[in-house]
Amino acid sequence: EVQLVASGGGLVQPGGSLRLSCVASGFTFSHYAMSWVRQAPGKGLEWASGISGSGGSPHYADSVKGRFTISRDNSKNTLYLQMNSLRAEDTAVYYCAKDRRVSSTYDFDYWGQGTLVTVSS
Amino acid sequence: EVVLTQSPATLSLSPGERATLSCRASQSVSNYLAWYQQKPGQAPRLLIYDASNRATGIPARFSGSGSGTDFSLIISSLEPEDFAIYYCQQRFFSPPTFGGGSKVEIK
Repeated sequence: EVQLVASGGGLVQPGGSLRLSCVASGFTFSHYAMSWVRQAPGKGLEWASGISGSGGSPHYADSVKGRFTISRDNSKNTLYLQMNSLRAEDTAVYYCAKDRRVSSTYDFDYWGQGTLVTVSS
Repeated sequence: EVVLTQSPATLSLSPGERATLSCRASQSVSNYLAWYQQKPGQAPRLLIYDASNRATGIPARFSGSGSGTDFSLIISSLEPEDFAIYYCQQRFFSPPTFGGGSKVEIK
């Protein structure tokens, strides 16, 4: 059974940093691209960042480029999102999501439960 | 980036009725469009990929159609568990983008 368990969210002041983690199980983690998708309270879904199975080719939404860094440790089956220079508009539930196919598809067949990041003073 | 416009924003229907949701892209995304269902407090669930393919375990009452810029998700006969928010998502252009969502509520 595929499982994605996200953690690391919390309350942080504007300008602060936070690192999210997502531990995967039930599939060959290194074969699949992974993404972080976020959802502000009461709003829709926004793709934030993605990374290939090998860890190369990170991609970012313009809204987070230069502030967020996606990475993965395939030996630990774990996906990360390092978030720096956080802003109030980064407040959201952050979901990790698995690509549907081995070839990077950027559509997502499994999602973690989400971790809430609140940026506020 | 590609903008996806979903309509209607809210659809009020009774169990057993047919639901038709629309997703229009600002430019052609070929058939690289997915549909997701999200219930309150839950993560999204993939329903349809590549415009018309049901994901694993999705009931046959869900169907998708369309290509280019106009897409539809049809729920042939609403079950109580189908009342939720539905999102479309394109993957043809980077970054992948989502529509604003359509809420299917109980009438």
